[in-house]
Amino acid sequence: DTAVSQTPKYLVTQMGNDKSIKCEQNLGHDTMYWYKQDSKKFLKIMFSYNNKELIINETVPNRFSPKSPDKAHLNLHINSLELGDSAVYFCASRQRDSGRGYTFGSGTRLTVV
Amino acid sequence: ILNVEQSPQSLHVQEGDSTNFTCSFPSSNFYALHWYRWETAKSPEALFVMTLNGDEKKKGRISATLNTKEGYSYLYIKGSQPEDSATYLCARIYGSSNTGKLIFGQGTTLQVKP
Repeated sequence: DTAVSQTPKYLVTQMGNDKSIKCEQNLGHDTMYWYKQDSKKFLKIMFSYNNKELIINETVPNRFSPKSPDKAHLNLHINSLELGDSAVYFCASRQRDSGRGYTFGSGTRLTVV
Repeated sequence: ILNVEQSPQSLHVQEGDSTNFTCSFPSSNFYALHWYRWETAKSPEALFVMTLNGDEKKKGRISATLNTKEGYSYLYIKGSQPEDSATYLCARIYGSSNTGKLIFGQGTTLQVKP
């Protein structure tokens, strides 16, 4: 049973398209995150939701929009994809105040051509 | 500035060697420090979450210490094995427990040769 699952694992798409990446966690955690792994392999925070409420919104283009239909799901929608959006995107979750670390998904490699 | 620095960037050791790496961070308004292990083609896996100055945590041959006053943490691996080869990330929480951001360092990549 995968704790944090992301789909798709790989996504190749053309510039200008709109695409979504889905994330689901079955751990009962109350907080979920999207991170982007940049070209230097840094993991950079993009968004965080706690119980469907947006709590972190970093300076990312507004073409990126997170959506959380319930606390087990946090999807990432990207409009008008650009070449520079090519990266690996990681979803993560945690239970606030548990004293435990984040649980990460396996990542989605997005390639914009 | 939200910054976490790790050194060295990469490390090659022989099987059986013990090794350690450093994570440094601004010490003001400290809440928590995390260590993660990230194997190639897998996702980061939490090793330790440390909150108190002087904390020491251990998991098998891996241990970590924390100094929040001077802003650093050490990760130690005793008797390195090839399966310890991975990138080790440290990350600091900036902000509160509820709304804080986990900001990562660039990682230390460890290669253990048999």
